[in-house]
Amino acid sequence: GQQVMQIPQYQHVQEGEDFTTYCNSSTTLSNIQWYKQRPGGHPVFLIQLVKSGEVKKQKRLTFQFGEAKKNSSLHITATQTTDVGTYFCAGPDNYGQNFVFGPGTRLSVLP
Amino acid sequence: GAGVSQSPRYKVTKRGQDVALRCDPISGHVSLYWYRQALGQGPEFLTYFNYEAQQDKSGLPNDRFSAERPEGSISTLTIQRTEQRDSAMYRCASSSGPYNQPQHFGDGTRLSIL
Repeated sequence: GQQVMQIPQYQHVQEGEDFTTYCNSSTTLSNIQWYKQRPGGHPVFLIQLVKSGEVKKQKRLTFQFGEAKKNSSLHITATQTTDVGTYFCAGPDNYGQNFVFGPGTRLSVLP
Repeated sequence: GAGVSQSPRYKVTKRGQDVALRCDPISGHVSLYWYRQALGQGPEFLTYFNYEAQQDKSGLPNDRFSAERPEGSISTLTIQRTEQRDSAMYRCASSSGPYNQPQHFGDGTRLSIL
């Protein structure tokens, strides 16, 4: 079945440093979504990418969908303590089935 | 309602008992999802509904797990003859459409099987 992997599993950065997490799917995705989960909270939707090679920005966050629609990345510029949490990528396969979340990348930001 | 509501927030029960977890989605959302999330892991898909129809139940671990959404709104996830390995956070999410729309999650039900 479809598998979604994310690296790194953990990332500790100093406030102000940049951060990137990478997401890879074993199958082509029809779209990819990114969620953020704060400690003790629930996943919160950040963004959805649909087109091959698509790039979207939200303030300091940049999201990219790979040309083959099997990988994606989230880059945060100049991290802040409010960025702390676990970032998940998720998506259905190209047949619109099997909605799968990645294991997440846990980000810690040291002030 | 304003958000997805799940009840109870916490459930502690003895092994072998049946449990029913409830999800009240955002008003008007046609799609409803159930996930199980272990500590430090991503949500694991269990099943999803479009209106009252269960479209995909491929993630249900075994036949002790079942879900329904009889009127296309509130959904119930039932676990029969609970086992300790069923202990987890069970999350519900709803969206305005299947798979290609943002999912809005509830706060979850923390299930502990003694």
